[in-house]
Amino acid sequence: GENVEQHPSTLSVQEGDSAVIKCTYSDSASNYFPWYKQELGKGPQLIIDIRSNVGEKKDQRIAVTLNKTAKHFSLHITETQPEDSAVYFCAATRYSSASKIIFGSGTRLSIRP
Amino acid sequence: EAGVVQSPRYKIIEKKQPVAFWCNPISGHNTLYWYLQNLGQGPELLIRYENEEAVDDSQLPKDRFSAERLKGVDSTLKIQPAELGDSAVYLCASSLSRSGRSSYNEQFFGPGTRLTVL
Repeated sequence: GENVEQHPSTLSVQEGDSAVIKCTYSDSASNYFPWYKQELGKGPQLIIDIRSNVGEKKDQRIAVTLNKTAKHFSLHITETQPEDSAVYFCAATRYSSASKIIFGSGTRLSIRP
Repeated sequence: EAGVVQSPRYKIIEKKQPVAFWCNPISGHNTLYWYLQNLGQGPELLIRYENEEAVDDSQLPKDRFSAERLKGVDSTLKIQPAELGDSAVYLCASSLSRSGRSSYNEQFFGPGTRLTVL
């Protein structure tokens, strides 16, 4: 089955700097990679996603890149702000309503003022 | 529009006691999921319902866990008896799945129920 590894487990960056979170996956059949943000006391919320036919996707200050050959994908947050502090999860699945999402173990991002 | 509602938000019980969690999905969402989230980990699927049918319960420990979604709307997850290792957050999510369409249907998560077993 699919296995998703995520690094680092904790990340602290100065406000305004960039943050990068990296993930690897094992199942070459996975073709959809969502990223979730989980704030304290809340459930995960989808913030951006990428399909395997695309190498990069950007939405304002966040971007995701995918290297299908190496089975790596990354989340980039630029110009970090205090409200970016949260736990971020990468995930992998097949682009099908019947497929199970496999989550990474999460990265706790802290933004220093 | 109201999101996924879960209750209770917190529950503390002693081991060997029963416990139940309730979830009301987003109105109109036909697919409902229960996830287990251990501290410092990502969510892990326990069971998925398509309407009232459990279509994936392979990760549900059936000796002590049970779930139901009788009318295809809200759902209850039960643990009986609870063990110390069951302490975790139990998340419910829902999505609108369209049959015959190859697509990913975004899952919307509730805030979870934090269970502490003493």
